Amino acid sequence: GENVEQHPSTLSVQEGDSAVIKCTYSDSASNYFPWYKQELGKRPQLIIDIRSNVGEKKDQRIAVTLNKTAKHFSLHITETQPEDSAVYFCAASRPPNYQLIWGAGTKLIIKP
Amino acid sequence: GAVVSQHPSRVICKSGTSVKIECRSLDFQATTMFWYRQFPKKSLMLMATSNEGSKATYEQGVEKDKFLINHASLTLSTLTVTSAHPEDSSFYICSARDPSGRTGELFFGEGSRLTVL
Repeated sequence: GENVEQHPSTLSVQEGDSAVIKCTYSDSASNYFPWYKQELGKRPQLIIDIRSNVGEKKDQRIAVTLNKTAKHFSLHITETQPEDSAVYFCAASRPPNYQLIWGAGTKLIIKP
Repeated sequence: GAVVSQHPSRVICKSGTSVKIECRSLDFQATTMFWYRQFPKKSLMLMATSNEGSKATYEQGVEKDKFLINHASLTLSTLTVTSAHPEDSSFYICSARDPSGRTGELFFGEGSRLTVL
């Protein structure tokens, strides 16, 4: 079955710098890759997603890139702010049921 | 976006008692809901898929007699932790898919933190 690996487990960056979180997946049939942000004690919320028919998607300070050949996708956050501090989860899914397979999560710490 | 509400947000119970957690889709109908368990500093672990009007589909290793799931209506799914023990203490969270079907987004409830004494 599908396996999603996420790195690093913890990432500490200076406020204003960029943060990159990487995930790899094993099932080449996976075609949907969302990223969720979970603040402490809160519910996960979708921040960006990408489908396999595109290589990159951007939404203001957040971008996701996908390399289908290498089977990895990355989350890029630029100009980080204190409110970006949270745990970020990547996931992958494939037809027919599109069940999400989750990465282990990355705790992002923004240092003032 | 779609709203999923979960209740209670926190519950403390004695060992041996049962606890029911409700998950409601507030502004849409959900034929399928997903129940996750999350340990501290860990990822989301899918426990079961709740199907309206039929039996839930449990993931491998999840005891269906321990974690009873009922999806009696298109807007309500319940998870009952039966004969709870301290090892059942965890954060339980439900979710439902984007009702429009245009995206694969999952909308999550607020989560329920269960503490079994």
